[in-house]
Amino acid sequence: AQSVTQPDIHITVSEGASLELRCNYSYGATPYLFWYVQSPGQGLQLLLKYFSGDTLVQGIKGFEAEFKRSQSSFNLRKPSVHWSDAAEYFCAVGGSAAGNKLTFGGGTRVLVKP
Amino acid sequence: DAGVIQSPRHEVTEMGQEVTLRCKPISGHNSLFWYRQTMMRGLELLIYFNNNVPIDDSGMPEDRFSAKMPNASFSTLKIQPSEPRDSAVYFCASRLPPGSSYNEQFFGPGTRLTVL
Repeated sequence: AQSVTQPDIHITVSEGASLELRCNYSYGATPYLFWYVQSPGQGLQLLLKYFSGDTLVQGIKGFEAEFKRSQSSFNLRKPSVHWSDAAEYFCAVGGSAAGNKLTFGGGTRVLVKP
Repeated sequence: DAGVIQSPRHEVTEMGQEVTLRCKPISGHNSLFWYRQTMMRGLELLIYFNNNVPIDDSGMPEDRFSAKMPNASFSTLKIQPSEPRDSAVYFCASRLPPGSSYNEQFFGPGTRLTVL
């Protein structure tokens, strides 16, 4: 069965500092990996996705993520955080072997200090 | 494109009442998903449809929950009778047909349900 673990429930970061959110997955085939962001009271918005090819993927809002197959990880990064990045971030895994369903991690809530 | 549309955005009801949540997927998307989000359980997949046909409803909590997709542009999630533990945010998402290169799902804004 597929699963996603986001080890950090909360992260606090100062504005302008770098951010890294961890994501580890378990999947029996080639995974499709996603990061979504949810602002308070909003739905989930896709930040970036990985299907194949270059293991470093660029997304919207200055985010990037790196797929490391050997570590079963897909960590999200941003070099300089803005106050508007305060939100909850979800990692998800899916693929054709999963019947096109996505499995989401528990989420990491990011708080940005001024 | 207006994106995935959900209604109502907020619903407050009393225990025992019937609740119907509605979703309009993005035009051309043939897969539709219903999720429930709570603090305790996070984001859970309840049911999903391909081409209006329910494919996997293993996430539906119990018989009080039912979902339909009568056509490609509309789906409902019904709870009857509702209970306080059903209070949550319910999301609808849609995506391109299976077999497309991408599994990306597009989410609606959600319906916040409160059962008193």
